[in-house]
Amino acid sequence: DSGVTQTPKHLITATGQRVTLRCSPRSGDLSVYWYQQSLDQGLQFLIQYYNGEERAKGNILERFSAQQFPDLHSELNLSSLELGDSALYFCASSVGWGGQETQYFGPGTRLLVL
Amino acid sequence: AQSVTQLGSHVSVSEGALVLLRCNYSSSVPPYLFWYVQYPNQGLQLLLKYTTGATLVKGINGFEAEFKKSETSFHLTKPSAHMSDAAEYFCAVKVTGTASKLTFGTGTRLQVTL
Repeated sequence: DSGVTQTPKHLITATGQRVTLRCSPRSGDLSVYWYQQSLDQGLQFLIQYYNGEERAKGNILERFSAQQFPDLHSELNLSSLELGDSALYFCASSVGWGGQETQYFGPGTRLLVL
Repeated sequence: AQSVTQLGSHVSVSEGALVLLRCNYSSSVPPYLFWYVQYPNQGLQLLLKYTTGATLVKGINGFEAEFKKSETSFHLTKPSAHMSDAAEYFCAVKVTGTASKLTFGTGTRLQVTL
């Protein structure tokens, strides 16, 4: 158990819908990362937050957004869902910088868009 | 930009045999390198990481990896495979800077046979 929790574990929805994925980082971790794992794209970095502020963006679609709240939990919002958004979405949290930083991953949320 | 290449999407070994999973990286600056393991229906678990210093890094579950700058490689090895090692293994690279995202390889699925 990494100490990072993600809810829900599974999510089934229809095209065009909007969903919210939630992540609670390890106690004391200020950074939260979101990654997407799909069969065709592999594991891709989406976005990073540090202590409530967006720190970096990766291959995140405009239909997707995220935020980190004062209690440091984070939410990833996916809207106007398409079939191709079906994937496993991971959250990771970390503390420290550079070589001292290690990202710890949650169990993921499996999203299926029908 | 940094990148990771994992040679061999599937590797099969007999129980008790040597495990060798290959990873080559590309980075314009000294990288930090990681190996993560993903068991079925689970998140990513850190096996080991290289930051600076000793080039032979020991991790959990008997795995180790050697950073070879001249070969831009960070291959993962284990002297004797166990059935419980069957999983997917991901090599990842990180460079310091504003974004501490991990860039992952495409993964290698390890099968262990009797």
